[in-house]
Amino acid sequence: NAGVMQNPRHLVRRRGQEARLRCSPMKGHSHVYWYRQLPEEGLKFMVYLQKENIIDESGMPKERFSAEFPKEGPSILRIQQVVRGDSAAYFCASSPRRQGRIQETQYFGPGTRLLVL
Amino acid sequence: KQEVTQIPAALSVPEGENLVLNCSFTDSAIYNLQWFRQDPGKGLTSLLLIQSSQREQTSGRLNASLDKSSGRSTLYIAASQPGDSATYLCAVIDGSSNTGKLIFGQGTTLQVKP
Repeated sequence: NAGVMQNPRHLVRRRGQEARLRCSPMKGHSHVYWYRQLPEEGLKFMVYLQKENIIDESGMPKERFSAEFPKEGPSILRIQQVVRGDSAAYFCASSPRRQGRIQETQYFGPGTRLLVL
Repeated sequence: KQEVTQIPAALSVPEGENLVLNCSFTDSAIYNLQWFRQDPGKGLTSLLLIQSSQREQTSGRLNASLDKSSGRSTLYIAASQPGDSATYLCAVIDGSSNTGKLIFGQGTTLQVKP
């Protein structure tokens, strides 16, 4: 059973370009979380999605950031018109949430390191 | 608002030493607390998860304790090895959460010298 997959592992963008980060959850997991780790800071929650639904986006910046988790395919975190302050490691985690339990372990992917020049 | 703090921010010990990492949280109402390990440039590996009804969990040389009433958890590493060098993160699921989002501390960066 493969773990959580994220790609690309490293992404370089120039200011103003778009960044698309992909996350494939573990098999059988239909719940995805995105977290951001800014340089010299801890991980911060961004968004929580279930298949085809955004459940909690309270940690997402109001502008330029969006996320989706379609019925088929990976979850996508999209950053439009990137700025230098978006440079960070972006981690995705998945969870089975059996019987709706929120206490389930989250399994993390290796992260995507975004560098904005 | 739940906040998680880890002390110390960095720790350097000689190989073989037993050590304790500390984590505190401001609101004792949590679902669980989890300790992770993060190697440079890598993702997070879950080490131990303690549910709110539990007091401790053990895995090999690692032992994590939870005292909800005082808002504290400790991660005990016995007989440390150079391979234990990494950043250790503690995270909680706040009791008011209905989404399961994790709230992380800043981490303790551990260096074990041979």
